[in-house]
Amino acid sequence: GAGVSQSPSNKVTEKGKDVELRCDPISGHTALYWYRQRLGQGLEFLIYFQGNSAPDKSGLPSDRFSAERTGESVSTLTIQRTQQEDSAVYLCASSRVGGGGDTQYFGPGTRLTVL
Amino acid sequence: AQSVAQPEDQVNVAEGNPLTVKCTYSVSGNPYLFWYVQYPNRGLQFLLKYITGDNLVKGSYGFEAEFNKSQTSFHLKKPSALVSDSALYFCAVRDNDYKLSFGAGTTVTVRA
Repeated sequence: GAGVSQSPSNKVTEKGKDVELRCDPISGHTALYWYRQRLGQGLEFLIYFQGNSAPDKSGLPSDRFSAERTGESVSTLTIQRTQQEDSAVYLCASSRVGGGGDTQYFGPGTRLTVL
Repeated sequence: AQSVAQPEDQVNVAEGNPLTVKCTYSVSGNPYLFWYVQYPNRGLQFLLKYITGDNLVKGSYGFEAEFNKSQTSFHLKKPSALVSDSALYFCAVRDNDYKLSFGAGTTVTVRA
């Protein structure tokens, strides 16, 4: 079946603008995750959804970051008043149930560049 | 707390030679261990995972990994590397949590 998809694939914005990133998980996956990957670094956990509930938002870097999910479907990550340090690749992953040995499957990512 | 260390930033091997990418982990409970590969400008692709059972896990593209509890290691191996295996490899761990903790990644270069 189809994998995790993300849009846009690339986003260039000016400092101070708001951006919205979209993730479509694998159909039937109840768990959804957002990660950030800065250039040359590993993945940094941002937020986790179980259904449309986000039990842990502690990875969000600041209150400029927010995310929501509609049911067990699409999720959007919004960054308000973007800063240059927000430039990174934002990766979304989904998994069947979440936790334990459940495998997370990743989308291709959105490369965000803040000028 | 859970964490992963990948002690080598880069691994260089000749095509046809064995490839090993090292990973050590730290968890408070039982570990669930994963390997992912990332090709340029692409997302992470799942290679294999260890949950329980046999310490030797076989995965995609001829890769395997050995879980060693006493050494808290989960090294990725391939008996005969291909040029197409050149990529960025990530080890990840989870205990009873839902989120994965990733290592910094190891860049593998296989020369023809």
